[in-house]
Amino acid sequence: QKEVEQNSGPLSVPEGAIASLNCTYSDRGSQSFFWYRQYSGKSPELIMFIYSNGDKEDGRFTAQLNKASQYVSLLIRDSQPSDSATYLCAVTLRNSGAGSYQLTFGKGTKLSVIP
Amino acid sequence: SAVISQKPSRDICQRGTSLTIQCQVDSQVTMMFWYRQQPGQSLTLIATANQGSEATYESGFVIDKFPISRPNLTFSTLTVSNMSPEDSSIYLCSVELLDTSTDTQYFGPGTRLTVL
Repeated sequence: QKEVEQNSGPLSVPEGAIASLNCTYSDRGSQSFFWYRQYSGKSPELIMFIYSNGDKEDGRFTAQLNKASQYVSLLIRDSQPSDSATYLCAVTLRNSGAGSYQLTFGKGTKLSVIP
Repeated sequence: SAVISQKPSRDICQRGTSLTIQCQVDSQVTMMFWYRQQPGQSLTLIATANQGSEATYESGFVIDKFPISRPNLTFSTLTVSNMSPEDSSIYLCSVELLDTSTDTQYFGPGTRLTVL
């Protein structure tokens, strides 16, 4: 069974600190990895995607991927109260023969940034 | 990215009735998907909407309950049929854009459905 696991939280960090969100996945064939942010009552918003091992930085956000350990993380530097949301980790696997990808989501980690 | 709209944004329906949700994109896309997000839960893929052919359903979802249409590259509908309170959920469409080499999915604003 293909699974994506996240700590549900809540994860509380003080304003200005680094928030670290973690995700593990079960399928070694996973090819693409995404982090979405979802505010309460809103739809998921793409934060970052990463395909290769290592780090990828975009502003205050850094995604880290380790395929050998089947682990992907998201670091948020200088956390702001506006970062308070649920962060969803998602991975894709190509459906053999269909030529399409299936995105599998974790249950999300709720982040609370305390002013 | 693209501008994705869904109609209606929310609805309250009686059990036994059906509701059709529309998803419109302002640019051509390769793939369109329909997800369900039940209260307090993550997203579950219902089906992939294929242009000009029958949708591809995931395990646990059937065409009789969730008929899907996709008449062109920018529009799709999902119908929730013979509704029960267990169908109360947020329904989301997502798309993969035509003009990108990535498999990134972008989500519409969602339709919040309450079944009484």
